[in-house]
Amino acid sequence: QQPVQSPQAVILREGEDAVINCSSSKALYSVHWYRQKHGEAPVFLMILLKGGEQKGHEKISASFNEKKQQSSLYLTASQLSYSGTYFCGTASLRDDKIIFGKGTRLHILP
Amino acid sequence: DSGVTQTPKHLITATGQRVTLRCSPRSGDLSVYWYQQSLDQGLQFLIQYYNGEERAKGNILERFSAQQFPDLHSELNLSSLELGDSALYFCASSARTSGRLWETQYFGPGTRLLVL
Repeated sequence: QQPVQSPQAVILREGEDAVINCSSSKALYSVHWYRQKHGEAPVFLMILLKGGEQKGHEKISASFNEKKQQSSLYLTASQLSYSGTYFCGTASLRDDKIIFGKGTRLHILP
Repeated sequence: DSGVTQTPKHLITATGQRVTLRCSPRSGDLSVYWYQQSLDQGLQFLIQYYNGEERAKGNILERFSAQQFPDLHSELNLSSLELGDSALYFCASSARTSGRLWETQYFGPGTRLLVL
């Protein structure tokens, strides 16, 4: 089942903060975050695993609430380069595959 | 540059035709994933191969098939094409180890398919 992302879109000014949420109805093993610029390939940002392990970029932070099957991506002091569509992908052990949400469009204004 | 290559970059064809999309994974990666991305849609997982064998299947139509060859490159075959098959098709690779759910996937640049 596809995870639900919120908000669908957000517009910020450079330097402002943003939080993007991802929730699933299934018990999750991992949450994956990607950013995609228009017409380009998705680029890996972060992976969060059940049990607390995280892998990702230094300037990106995220949380994973295993009990609520939710994850949040925190973008602080946003830069123009942060613009794009952010996708979360969730995986449960039963499915053995990653299912991506519909994405959150982020637009940063100068 | 993720190290994953896909060809062709663009493909225009007619309804009812058959096309083959090709993907070469990053050096050393054993898993290949195929995704379809339509306008305003997220990434729809189609199928995964690990070291030549099918590992997981998503919403892949019966008209679509894929395989992974001994040199680890993969091909996605789309047949009896319909207008609704127009989309961006991505290949991703991962798994220098097991290809499981904690692996980071690295996406190729995609093949844009337009069915007229």
